[in-house]
Order: sequence, then structure tokens, then C-alpha cells
Amino acid sequence: QKEVEQNSGPLSVPEGAIASLNCTYSDRVSQSFFWYRQYSGKSPELIMSIYSNGDKEDGRFTAQLNKASQYVSLLIRDSQPSDSATYLCAVNWRATNKLIFGTGTLLAVQP
Amino acid sequence: GAVVSQHPSRVICKSGTSVKIECRSLDFQATTMFWYRQFPKQSLMLMATSNEGSKATYEQGVEKDKFLINHASLTLSTLTVTSAHPEDSSFYICSAIAGGPETQYFGPGTRLLVL
Repeated sequence: QKEVEQNSGPLSVPEGAIASLNCTYSDRVSQSFFWYRQYSGKSPELIMSIYSNGDKEDGRFTAQLNKASQYVSLLIRDSQPSDSATYLCAVNWRATNKLIFGTGTLLAVQP
Repeated sequence: GAVVSQHPSRVICKSGTSVKIECRSLDFQATTMFWYRQFPKQSLMLMATSNEGSKATYEQGVEKDKFLINHASLTLSTLTVTSAHPEDSSFYICSAIAGGPETQYFGPGTRLLVL
């Protein structure tokens, strides 16, 4: 089992729809979880961090964490073509400062 | 958010030469920086953790004698790819911790092409 797993996609959604991105992780000790957005040829950009079970909302983005299920997700409401990118889930490995990344999910928002 | 810069953004070199990449935290002090490598259509792979004033900690499988890391100040870490070969061609990205122990901010990356 990979440490952090994501569906590689592509996930295609129409403009204005909700995009749902999922991530599972293997280390039960991990306490910090992050979503990064990466445009082609660019470096990752932090979107959200989440540390506690439940939902965390920031604008059009909502991160959800379920530590019992070792599952973290990102919802993007009112998806825009500019949201088209690869979304990387990252986990602090074994409660250290190291980030372990999933392979990313490619999101394509169709105009 | 915090700003991290990298220089150069792109470099082309001949096989066997060495290349130095700089990573700077522009508006904060970073005691810890990280170096990642990303091959096309793959995720980021952590290469090493760079700590100011001490030796870097390398991930398993990363050759410390080939990828030299120096973290001489709280705002600067450098990665030197020694005797570069075509298989070292990749996107090298640094990050620094700011505003808390876990949140990492990434530099814009350096694309290395070894001919």
C-alpha cells in the first residue's frame, strides 16, 4: 500500500459543478494534512490545511478529514476552468515535518 | 503566504558538469528547508531535509555525495548536483517551513536538463 493514495484521474466536471477529490493515507500517526494545487510546469501552491476531524471551509474550498477512516477530501464548489490543475494531497509523515505526497488528481473543468 | 524563490528557474548543462540551485526565503527565516524532485507526470519525491547550520538529512536512495546541500543561513539553502547525467534531468523544487511547524511553502522550481 502506498503511503498516500489518490485517483490519478482525470476528473472532468462541468463549469459551476462541485469537484470532489479524495485521498487516503496509511500512517495512523499523521496529524496534519494538506491540499496543494499544481499547474502544469509550476510548483505546488498550498490551498488548504486541516488537522482535526470534520470540515474546514475556505471560500469555494472545503477540506474534510476522517482520521478513523484515514481519509481526507477536498471539495471545490462552483468549479471554474481556472481550477483545472493537478491537486496533490500531502501528509506529514509520522508527525514529522516531512511531507509525503500522493500522485495527484488531474482536474479538468469544462467550460 | 510566505515567499520562497529559486534560482535559476531553468538550466541546461553538459553531462559531467555540476549545477548549483539556490533556494531563498524572502520574507521569513527558515530553519528547515526541503528539496524535492519531480519527474514528468509523477509526484514530488522528497530528496533531503536541509537544516540551518547542520548537515542535511537525505532520504533513502538519494546519494548525498551527488546531491550536495548547504544551508548556510536562515534564508538560503543550496543544492549542487555534481557530475550531472541525463537521468538527473528533472524539476527540482525547494520548500521552507513558515508560520508554523508543518506548513511548507514552495519555491517556483528549477528545471534541469542535462545533455
